[in-house]
Amino acid sequence: GQQVMQIPQYQHVQEGEDFTTYCNSSTTLSNIQWYKQRPGGHPVFLIQLVKSGEVKKQKRLTFQFGEAKKNSSLHITATQTTDVGTYFCADLTGANNLFFGTGTRLTVIP
Amino acid sequence: EADIYQTPRYLVIGTGKKITLECSQTMGHDKMYWYQQDPGMELHLIHYSYGVNSTEKGDLSSESTVSRIRTEHFPLTLESARPSHTSQYLCASSEWDRGFEKLFFGSGTQLSVL
Repeated sequence: GQQVMQIPQYQHVQEGEDFTTYCNSSTTLSNIQWYKQRPGGHPVFLIQLVKSGEVKKQKRLTFQFGEAKKNSSLHITATQTTDVGTYFCADLTGANNLFFGTGTRLTVIP
Repeated sequence: EADIYQTPRYLVIGTGKKITLECSQTMGHDKMYWYQQDPGMELHLIHYSYGVNSTEKGDLSSESTVSRIRTEHFPLTLESARPSHTSQYLCASSEWDRGFEKLFFGSGTQLSVL
């Protein structure tokens, strides 16, 4: 079955440090979406990547899709306390539903 | 921000009770979903619907059932709740945006079965 693993599972960083989460799949990904879920909140859409090798930026966030479309990454530069939350990648299944990765929980220490 | 609402926000009930979790959206979206999420864990798709009178089972087996009589309403029912059903239940709807499907989530229902 489909497996989308994210590493690390947890990450604690000092405010101002950079942070990266990696999303790895055993199969070729059709496209990748990234969501952020604040503690106690619900997932909120961040971005979608479609093309092999694609890179997109949103302010301090940089999203990348691997050349072989089997992995993706989210990098945050100079983390802030507002970045706290769990970051999920998600891929479309054959039934056109989103299959979510295991998530990376980010804690930012002020 | 999307207009998708879930009630109740929190629910604590005893074993054996029948419950219905409500989900409504005012965006006219055809496709809707129910995900189950344990604290700090990934989301598992338990049900989805393509539109009125359409209901499908998701990737994770669930003892719950759903119905879709109206476009805006997608309730989830547990006939006899058990402690193993304790979890957060997230409802979502989706729209096509520039060639891809984008999900909007409700605030969730945190269910505790004693």
